[in-house]
Amino acid sequence: GEDVEQSLFLSVREGDSSVINCTYTDSSSTYLYWYKQEPGAGLQLLTYIFSNMDMKQDQRLTVLLNKKDKHLSLRIADTQTGDSAIYFCAESIQTGANNLFFGTGTRLTVIP
Amino acid sequence: NAGVMQNPRHLVRRRGQEARLRCSPMKGHSHVYWYRQLPEEGLKFMVYLQKENIIDESGMPKERFSAEFPKEGPSILRIQQVVRGDSAAYFCASSPVGTGDGYTFGSGTRLTVV
Repeated sequence: GEDVEQSLFLSVREGDSSVINCTYTDSSSTYLYWYKQEPGAGLQLLTYIFSNMDMKQDQRLTVLLNKKDKHLSLRIADTQTGDSAIYFCAESIQTGANNLFFGTGTRLTVIP
Repeated sequence: NAGVMQNPRHLVRRRGQEARLRCSPMKGHSHVYWYRQLPEEGLKFMVYLQKENIIDESGMPKERFSAEFPKEGPSILRIQQVVRGDSAAYFCASSPVGTGDGYTFGSGTRLTVV
């Protein structure tokens, strides 16, 4: 089945850049997503990228996709303490698919 | 425009009782999805519904779990005869059409079975 992997923890200092990585196994992925989950809250969609793109930038967020290596990353510039959360990578494997496959999440801790 | 509303936020049930989790999608959204998040894990898809129809229940356990999305009212995820292993956060999401630009998630219902 589909397998989406992320490292579990990342710590960065306030003001530095954070890079959260994700690998996936299904080469037929159509969309890849990044979600943010704050403690006790639901998931907030941060950004997504279509599989025929290799980069997408949205303010402090940059998504890079290496389709050959099946590697997705999320870069957060000028990381703030409010960015501390769990970040989930997810993929959908066909256009209009009903379900997303999530990684286990990366817990980002921002040190003041 | 209220987001996806789930209630209750927290639910405690004794083993053997029934749990009913409710989800009201965003206004204008006719597609509802239920996911389960076990402690320290990612979300796992359970079921996808449109009004009065179950479209995909491939992630639902075969027994004790059921879901509905009636013509009127919220979507309901029902767990009969709960066991300790059902303790998890259950998230509902909604979208106006299929996926593509991502769902909107609710804040979840945290079920604890004692």
